[in-house]
Amino acid sequence: GAVVSQHPSWVICKSGTSVKIECRSLDFQATTMFWYRQFPKQSLMLMATSNEGSKATYEQGVEKDKFLINHASLTLSTLTVTSAHPEDSSFYICSASRSPGSYNSPLHFGNGTRLTVT
Amino acid sequence: GQQVMQIPQYQHVQEGEDFTTYCNSSTTLSNIQWYKQRPGGHPVFLIQLVKSGEVKKQKRLTFQFGEAKKNSSLHITATQTTDVGTYFCAGPGETSGSRLTFGEGTQLTVNP
Repeated sequence: GAVVSQHPSWVICKSGTSVKIECRSLDFQATTMFWYRQFPKQSLMLMATSNEGSKATYEQGVEKDKFLINHASLTLSTLTVTSAHPEDSSFYICSASRSPGSYNSPLHFGNGTRLTVT
Repeated sequence: GQQVMQIPQYQHVQEGEDFTTYCNSSTTLSNIQWYKQRPGGHPVFLIQLVKSGEVKKQKRLTFQFGEAKKNSSLHITATQTTDVGTYFCAGPGETSGSRLTFGEGTQLTVNP
């Protein structure tokens, strides 16, 4: 069964509003979670690494003030898209590893959130 | 920075035909991972290769890791419609263990 749960699966919002996406690890503690963004027919682009109890690490070109990440517990990370605009419409996917920091640890992905900004 | 390249980008086959996707990294990898993403779905882990020259099989799928640990391939024998999806290879980042760099993916369509 699923080991990483993501909510909501899809969301439609108006331009200028904020949207929060939740990512939960169901049967393990995830000190590190990863947030990816995927445009249609494209690869997964890492946006940021969410670290429990500390600041997230953002990839180059990702605005940290626009994509707020909070990792307040060992099983929950949230991504908030602030003041969303149509160009933010995309598929956002979180992932986590059972063995963070290990080079040989596969990722478990959430079901993803399809965001449409009108 | 590290780059992971995959070819082809698209592949259309008739059911029963074989399929291969190739993955090349700009740097030596400690391991290579393969994921499958069905249309509308999320990536699902398939397999991980660690050793130089390693070959692993999962039913009709054969995965190889190059001797130099910079390239890999996925071969599907006698494709079925259930094989439809995008196949991604991914390698770990140079500085962080679990952080993965994904290839562009190969989108496979299978005509019945």
